[in-house]
Amino acid sequence: DGGITQSPKYLFRKEGQNVTLSCEQNLNHDAMYWYRQDPGQGLRLIYYSQIVNDFQKGDIAEGYSVSREKKESFPLTVTSAQKNPTAFYLCAVRGNGANVLTFGAGSRLTVL
Amino acid sequence: GESVGLHLPTLSVQEGDNSIINCAYSNSASDYFIWYKQESGKGPQFIIDIRSNMDKRQGQRVTVLLNKTVKHLSLQIAATQPGDSAVYFCAENLGGAQKLVFGQGTRLTINP
Repeated sequence: DGGITQSPKYLFRKEGQNVTLSCEQNLNHDAMYWYRQDPGQGLRLIYYSQIVNDFQKGDIAEGYSVSREKKESFPLTVTSAQKNPTAFYLCAVRGNGANVLTFGAGSRLTVL
Repeated sequence: GESVGLHLPTLSVQEGDNSIINCAYSNSASDYFIWYKQESGKGPQFIIDIRSNMDKRQGQRVTVLLNKTVKHLSLQIAATQPGDSAVYFCAENLGGAQKLVFGQGTRLTINP
C-alpha cells in the first residue's frame, strides 16, 4: 500500500462507543484523506487535511472527528453521534503537487 | 449528489475479450480524471489518469478515453485476464479543489 498503514484492519464496536482508526504514512506527503465506503457504493469523503494542524470537512463529516498533529498521522474518530458507522474506511495520501490519491488497505468497522 | 456515475453496475466478459467500462460526469469544471481498481477487501489502486486537455491516454493493456462534449469517460481493458476481476471506479478532480469525487463503481467479472 505504498507506505500507508491503516489499523486495525477489522474492528467491532458496541453502539454508543467512540472508536479511533489509525492512518500512518511514511511517504512525507502533506495531504491526507479519509473516505467511507458502503457495500456496492463509491467512496465518500469524510475529512481531509492538506497540511499539519489543518483539516477540512468533506461531504459526510457529521459524527466524525480528526486531528493532524503530525505530518505522518491522521487518525479518524468515529463518534457515537454517527448514526450508521458500519462501513469500510479508507485513508489516502496525495503527493505534493500531484492529483492521484494513494490508498491504504482500509479498516472495516462493524457496530454490533 | 455525486457528480460522477457509471452506466452499468456490473459487467461480465469472457477471458481474452476486451472490456469497456463507462463513466459519466456532470461537472464541466473537472480538470482531471482517474480510474481505480479495487479488489475485494482492499483499498483502490491507481490504474490510469487523464487530464481534461487530452482525449485519450494509453497504458499497459488499458486505455482511457475522454469525451468532454458528452461528459463521458471510459476505460478499455485489452485481453481481459482473471486478475482483472474487480470493481472499477472513476474519479474526477474538480478544478481548483484538492479532493476527488468517486463514482459508484462497476464490478467486472471474467468468465473462463
